[in-house]
Amino acid sequence: ETGVTQSPTHLIKTRGQQVTLRCSSQSGHNTVSWYQQALGQGPQFIFQYYREEENGRGNFPPRFSGLQFPNYSSELNVNALELDDSALYLCASSFRDRSFSPLHFGNGTRLTVT
Amino acid sequence: DQQVKQNSPSLSVQEGRISILNCDYTNSMFDYFLWYKKYPAEGPTFLISISSIKDKNEDGRFTVFLNKSAKHLSLHIVPSQPGDSAVYFCAAAGGATNKLIFGTGTLLAVQP
Repeated sequence: ETGVTQSPTHLIKTRGQQVTLRCSSQSGHNTVSWYQQALGQGPQFIFQYYREEENGRGNFPPRFSGLQFPNYSSELNVNALELDDSALYLCASSFRDRSFSPLHFGNGTRLTVT
Repeated sequence: DQQVKQNSPSLSVQEGRISILNCDYTNSMFDYFLWYKKYPAEGPTFLISISSIKDKNEDGRFTVFLNKSAKHLSLHIVPSQPGDSAVYFCAAAGGATNKLIFGTGTLLAVQP
């Protein structure tokens, strides 16, 4: 069973630039969620994708956008980067059916905005 | 408004003793509560969960207790091992998306 994988592991960008982060879901999972974890904080929900459509969004501005592909992999795009976007970005997958399924996380992408 | 709170930033325990990590929440609509463990440079790893209709769930050395009237849950680790040293996050889920709302974490240090 392949777990959740994210790329790249580290990234440095300049304020105002755009970034794309990638995630491959755990095999058998059909739902992907993205979280932002700032230093010293718990992960914060950005959004979730199910059947290639956004299915819930946290308190993040529209410059945070995403995609889910037919193979359930996903991208997180952030436009017009700001210094406060520096954080660990975590992707998590789960299998959505009638019962609750815990999220399984990747190791994250550490984004630094200078 | 922080809906899930972990008021202890850190906890130190001797190997072999019990570790008790606490978590409080404010939203009575949460359906599930979960505990995750996180090592540096790794993503959170799912440990154990409990449904809001139960008050206890056990998995090996890990037991989670839920007190709905007090809006409080705790994770008990018995016996504690040095490999348990990590940051522990409490999380709550509810609604159609089952999005997780996390606490700020508790750093557990198990001393040999």
